[in-house]
Order: sequence, then structure tokens, then C-alpha cells
Amino acid sequence: EIVLTQSPDFQSVTPKEKVTITCRASQSIGSSLHWYQQKPDQSPRLLIKYASQSFSGVPSRFSGSGSGTDFTLTINSLEAEDAATYYCLQSYSLPYTFGQGTKLEIK
Amino acid sequence: QVQLQESGPGLVKPSQTLSLTCTVSGGSINSGSYYWGWIRQPAGKGLEYIGRISTSGSTNYNPSLKSRVTISVDTSKNQFSLKLSSVTAADTAVYYCARIPGGSYWYFDLWGRGTLVTVSS
Repeated sequence: EIVLTQSPDFQSVTPKEKVTITCRASQSIGSSLHWYQQKPDQSPRLLIKYASQSFSGVPSRFSGSGSGTDFTLTINSLEAEDAATYYCLQSYSLPYTFGQGTKLEIK
Repeated sequence: QVQLQESGPGLVKPSQTLSLTCTVSGGSINSGSYYWGWIRQPAGKGLEYIGRISTSGSTNYNPSLKSRVTISVDTSKNQFSLKLSSVTAADTAVYYCARIPGGSYWYFDLWGRGTLVTVSS
């Protein structure tokens, strides 16, 4: 199965900062990489599909890039409501696998 | 709009079978090319894919759980279900059901709120 490794595991940031979270796949997955946001006691919410396509209703400060094995989620001008854990998911091959998560704390 | 709701016992004894149902409301489970999946999350940990099913009954399971998992669909009730046998404390988690658009779109776009299942005697 494909292993996804996110970095960092944890990041403490201030509002209005720019944040970058990376996801590295153990083999090439094309652009079959998706990003989710999960706030405490909530279900995950799809932010970005196929590496760079914004999902409906997602604020424009969220963007994604990458292909092959290296992917990035960028949050421009961070807001307090962006405090959450972010996960990447690959759908290139079954079984689907998730990254271990990146917890974002707002100072 | 379409919503998903998990239901089932919140407490299961070790060695027994965990059974959950996901009810799809606000739309037909049969519409489009949807697939339907289950994901779980132990407390304080990450997300784990359990498996998925098409409305025609085609399934895929996570190899780590494959020997214990069965996912089924009942289109007449607009529901799909998860059975996990021979459970242990390691199966204690929040279980989510989710939708996959299918066709050329393979990601979970809609999630239920999740239900906590505790395995304990």
C-alpha cells in the first residue's frame, strides 16, 4: 500500500501568517491526492481534490499544489478558525491511505 | 441536501461483531455513480480507511481488516452497512460513513458525523 508522510506533525502559527503543509507519497500517485481539514469533534471536510482543485465552498486562502510524490497545502493569511488537523488522502491505488495528520495551532 | 447518518450500538463486547448502518437522506443512494465508504478514527489518532462499496455491491476492503470486514448495501432502504467481527479494544474508534462521487472522482466528498464505538466487556 502507498504510505503518505506529512510534515510537520505540529505547527504553531500566528494569524495572517502563511502556512505550508507537505505530504510525500511512497511512490508516484500522479495528482490523486486530496486534502481534508478536521476540527475537534467534527468529521473531516474536503478542501482540495486532485492536488490543486478547490472543493466547493472552500475559502480561497486554501490552495494545493504538487504531483508525483510531493504535494503541498498552503493556507494564505491564516485565520483563527483554521485551527484544525489537516490530512492528505491518496486515491491512486486501493486501499486508500491517509497521511498521519498535521495539527495546526493558532497562537 | 444529501446527508449521511451512522447508527448502531455504542458498546460492543470483545470477540463480538460490530454492526453499523449508514442512512443516506435527501437523495437516492443509487443516483450517479456513487460509491460508499467507511473510515474510522481512534481517539486522538489519524484516519483509517476500512472499505467501500458500489451500489451494485462491488467491494474493496483494507487488507489489514479484510478478514473481519463485510460491507453491504440495501438500496431499498437507502442504507449501507458495516460489520466487523472478532473485535478487540483496538477497534474502539469513531466510525464515519462517507460518499465517493465515483466516475473519475475518487475521494470522500461527504461525511457523516461519526459514531463512537467502544469495545469493552
